Amino acid sequence: AQKVTQAQTEISVVEKEDVTLDCVYETRDTTYYLFWYKQPPSGELVFLIRRNSFDEQNEISGRYSWNFQKSTSSFNFTITASQVVDSAVYFCALSASNTNAGKSTFGDGTTLTVKP
Amino acid sequence: ETGVTQSPTHLIKTRGQQVTLRCSSQSGHNTVSWYQQALGQGPQFIFQYYREEENGRGNFPPRFSGLQFPNYSSELNVNALELDDSALYLCASSLGQLREYGYTFGSGTRLTVV
Repeated sequence: AQKVTQAQTEISVVEKEDVTLDCVYETRDTTYYLFWYKQPPSGELVFLIRRNSFDEQNEISGRYSWNFQKSTSSFNFTITASQVVDSAVYFCALSASNTNAGKSTFGDGTTLTVKP
Repeated sequence: ETGVTQSPTHLIKTRGQQVTLRCSSQSGHNTVSWYQQALGQGPQFIFQYYREEENGRGNFPPRFSGLQFPNYSSELNVNALELDDSALYLCASSLGQLREYGYTFGSGTRLTVV
């Protein structure tokens, strides 16, 4: 069985602050994919990143960065210099090696509010 | 190219009724997944269709059923609606079955069962 835990239900920051969203996962698979999605009020899930379990390099994309630590089963997401437009619900997800991303297990999300 | 389109956007049904939700996948995509997202929770996988065949199912009862058509559009049918079926239903499409393929999500159908 797979499980994704996002312990932070809600986070509120002031614009320009850095914020880290935590994600801890459980799986028996040795090969798997991890994802982060953003869900704005309009409802659709916007893909942010996919990480293969064999690739533990951290990744940076503009103000976004991800820290994957297999030893602690964590895949944390940091937004640097947050902006009001970053306000949304963020989901971490996991898919097993013998399946595809369309059958992912999601966490319950973290609602990020960035205040001006 | 257009993205994933879902209809209707909102729907109110009475307990015990049946409902059909529709999804038009992104152009060129032959794989469709459906998810149920209850308020305050993450999406839960219902089932996936690939080239008109069901290709995997989550922990949902048989009253949740689906179809995929030759043009790869899809329907989700729910019979004997229960209050707990109230949720946002998301459809996502992909180019195929490979693990490397990403999924494009629609904006969902908000179903309220009263």
